[in-house]
Amino acid sequence: KAGVTQTPRYLIKTRGQQVTLSCSPISGHRSVSWYQQTPGQGLQFLFEYFSETQRNKGNFPGRFSGRQFSNSRSEMNVSTLELGDSALYLCASSLTSDRQNYGYTFGSGTRLTVV
Amino acid sequence: DQQVKQNSPSLSVQEGRISILNCDYTNSMFDYFLWYKKYPAEGPTFLISISSIKDKNEDGRFTVFLNKSAKHLSLHIVPSQPGDSAVYFCAASFSYGGATNKLIFGTGTLLAVQP
Repeated sequence: KAGVTQTPRYLIKTRGQQVTLSCSPISGHRSVSWYQQTPGQGLQFLFEYFSETQRNKGNFPGRFSGRQFSNSRSEMNVSTLELGDSALYLCASSLTSDRQNYGYTFGSGTRLTVV
Repeated sequence: DQQVKQNSPSLSVQEGRISILNCDYTNSMFDYFLWYKKYPAEGPTFLISISSIKDKNEDGRFTVFLNKSAKHLSLHIVPSQPGDSAVYFCAASFSYGGATNKLIFGTGTLLAVQP
């Protein structure tokens, strides 16, 4: 079966712009979570969506937002980009939202560079 | 506040020997722990997990040990193989107000297995 697909793979944006990243989960998976990976910080949880509802949110400013569509595909948006937003953004999908982590599959990520 | 810490940024081991990767946590509410492996340009891949009601879990060459009193877990890889060379992340989660897929990650340890 197809894995978690994130698009685009690479993105270069200018400070002050906004960006939208997309994540298509594994077919049948209804939970999508987003993480930011930066050097020295590891992976930091952004938010989780399940059945189009945000279930959980990490400690990120309001410039970071997301949504999930009825087909479980998810998007995250970052507005007013800052240099510090440069990172690898990873999404992970799972069948449910009940911590069945053996089914928690990550995509390859979107590498965002803000210049 | 880094709730999950991997104090060794890197580790080098000879092929065939044991690799021991360590992880410390500060939040006593964590009740589920996981290890992920990450190759460059790929998303993390789930390796092994352990519930806080256990102190050991094995899966082939991988064993995770949990010491709750010390708030410490470790991943043992025996025997180590060159293909194990990757960044290893430990992660933790806990249930609050219901099940959640939110994971708290450490900063990772780069394992290099020398042939």
